[in-house]
This record gives sequence, C-alpha cells and structure tokens, in this order.
Amino acid sequence: DGGITQSPKYLFRKEGQNVTLSCEQNLNHDAMYWYRQDPGQGLRLIYYSQIVNDFQKGDIAEGYSVSREKKESFPLTVTSAQKNPTAFYLCASSTNTWETQYFGPGTRLLVL
Amino acid sequence: KQEVTQIPAALSVPEGENLVLNCSFTDSAIYNLQWFRQDPGKGLTSLLLIQSSQREQTSGRLNASLDKSSGRSTLYIAASQPGDSATYLCAVTYPYGWGNSGNTPLVFGKGTRLSVIA
Repeated sequence: DGGITQSPKYLFRKEGQNVTLSCEQNLNHDAMYWYRQDPGQGLRLIYYSQIVNDFQKGDIAEGYSVSREKKESFPLTVTSAQKNPTAFYLCASSTNTWETQYFGPGTRLLVL
Repeated sequence: KQEVTQIPAALSVPEGENLVLNCSFTDSAIYNLQWFRQDPGKGLTSLLLIQSSQREQTSGRLNASLDKSSGRSTLYIAASQPGDSATYLCAVTYPYGWGNSGNTPLVFGKGTRLSVIA
C-alpha cells in the first residue's frame, strides 16, 4: 500500500530532552512538510523540503530541526529549545510544492 | 500576511440536511484551493482541489466552488450523514514564496467542526 506513515502515535518528552518524530512515504514524492496543530488553530508550517538534501524553514521553525538524507524520509527533531512542544504534529508529502498534499496520521507530543 | 477564514467555526445539523461551509482568503492571487477533512486525532484527507482557473469541483455529495475575484470558496455537502461529522479545513496555495523568507504558500484556515445528528 502506498502512503505516508508517522511514528510513534504518542510521544512523551522530559524537560530538556530532544525527541525525534519519524515520517516515511513510499509515494515517490519530492516534497515533504512538517506542520504543528494546536487546539482551535489551523496548521502552521514548521519546515519543508522540496528535494533530497534541501529544506527550508516555515513559519515556526525555532526549536525544531530536520534532515532529508533520503527521498522517502523526513524526520523532525523537537529540541530542548522548543519551550512549548505539546501539540499534534502532522507530516505531509506531495509530488511538488503546488500539488495536493497527502498527510500522515500524526504524532501527539506530550511533555512530562 | 495572507489569511484564510472559515465561518462558522462549528455547525450542527440534522441528518439529511444540505449544508454550506464557507472559506474566505485575503489575497486573491491564489494558485489553487483545497478542502480537507480531519477526523478527531487523525491526519487530513484531501477532498477536493480547485485550480485558480476553475469555478468548481465535484466529488460524490460534495461540491466546492471558487470565486477567486471575491476571495471566497464554499463547500456544499448534500444530504448530510452522521459519517460526515468531522472538521473541514480550507487551504490556499500561492504561486510564490517558496524559498522567500516570511511567505508560506500553503495557508490553512482554522476549520469548521461539523456535527451531523442522526
């Protein structure tokens, strides 16, 4: 089955800890994205990548980092510098940046 | 800064009713507009995509219209069912901004939470 997967479904972070959220797609898409969703707010773009080995900051990149070493993978690290990390994180991919984005099931990050 | 507004924020209707969800955007120079559905705690599912040159798109009981000049789109749901209960999100894509600091070419509204009562 073609699709986009995210893991884990739930993630708990301790104070001062870095955590990494996984995003994998087998749709052969060039572009991948990370969004953050807070209650009552729309999706906000954290980082995006148009092609392997390239990525750009979105609206709220501070406290986050990404890598794009493989076409099918775009992991997101939430660093200790992100002071309010509790949110629902969504990964998406698309053929290119103008076409429909396909979303993964999301990862909910909670702070202990 | 581009903004997308969705009204109403929440809507509750009896089963079988036809309904309209509204989306407005401040910058009309869009490339395309998409409607998504999100179930609680889940990712987004694309419902319809309308290119800037199109006026409407249809899929089953769903019909989305686009009036680019007035900065508006509507999602029409015919004969609503309890299974239609979800949050519906509107998002616009702009043909500029990728790689430019401060511009996000895909802008989402906050969504309309729909409840269809059996």
